[in-house]
Amino acid sequence: AQSVTQLGSHVSVSEGALVLLRCNYSSSVPPYLFWYVQYPNQGLQLLLKYTTGATLVKGINGFEAEFKKSETSFHLTKPSAHMSDAAEYFCAVSEDTGRRALTFGSGTRLQVQP
Amino acid sequence: NAGVMQNPRHLVRRRGQEARLRCSPMKGHSHVYWYRQLPEEGLKFMVYLQKENIIDESGMPKERFSAEFPKEGPSILRIQQVVRGDSAAYFCASSPEQEAFFGQGTRLTVV
Repeated sequence: AQSVTQLGSHVSVSEGALVLLRCNYSSSVPPYLFWYVQYPNQGLQLLLKYTTGATLVKGINGFEAEFKKSETSFHLTKPSAHMSDAAEYFCAVSEDTGRRALTFGSGTRLQVQP
Repeated sequence: NAGVMQNPRHLVRRRGQEARLRCSPMKGHSHVYWYRQLPEEGLKFMVYLQKENIIDESGMPKERFSAEFPKEGPSILRIQQVVRGDSAAYFCASSPEQEAFFGQGTRLTVV
């Protein structure tokens, strides 16, 4: 069975500061990992994904994440926060076993202070 | 190429009524997933369908909920005899492979 843990349901940073959103996963097979962003009353938009290959993944809006197998982590970072980054962020995992459904973490709400 | 289309965006039902939620996947996508998001929570998988087939319904409640993805037309998530606890946002996603594209969701309110 797969699971995702996002540490910190709320994170607040100042505009221009580093953003770090934590995600740890468990999976019985090599995972596919995703970060999605959700703005109020909207659907989910894919920020980035890791399937195979390079462990440092770059996504949209200046975000990136690094897959660390030894730590079972896939933390999301952005060097400099912008006000428009304020949203809910979800980490998700899936396995290429035919089921392919995503298992989501409970989400982290990012606030950006001016 | 239009994205995943869900309708209605908002749906209000009285307890005991039926709710029908529709999802049209992106063109060329044959895999459809339904997820439910309760307030202040992440998304929970409900069901995975391909055309005319339910592949995985392990996340569906055993009673009152059903889903279909017919050969023609949108995928339908049907909730019979709704109760207050069914109030949530229901998201549909479609995918060609591993990456899922989400619709904007249907927000169901049961009064």
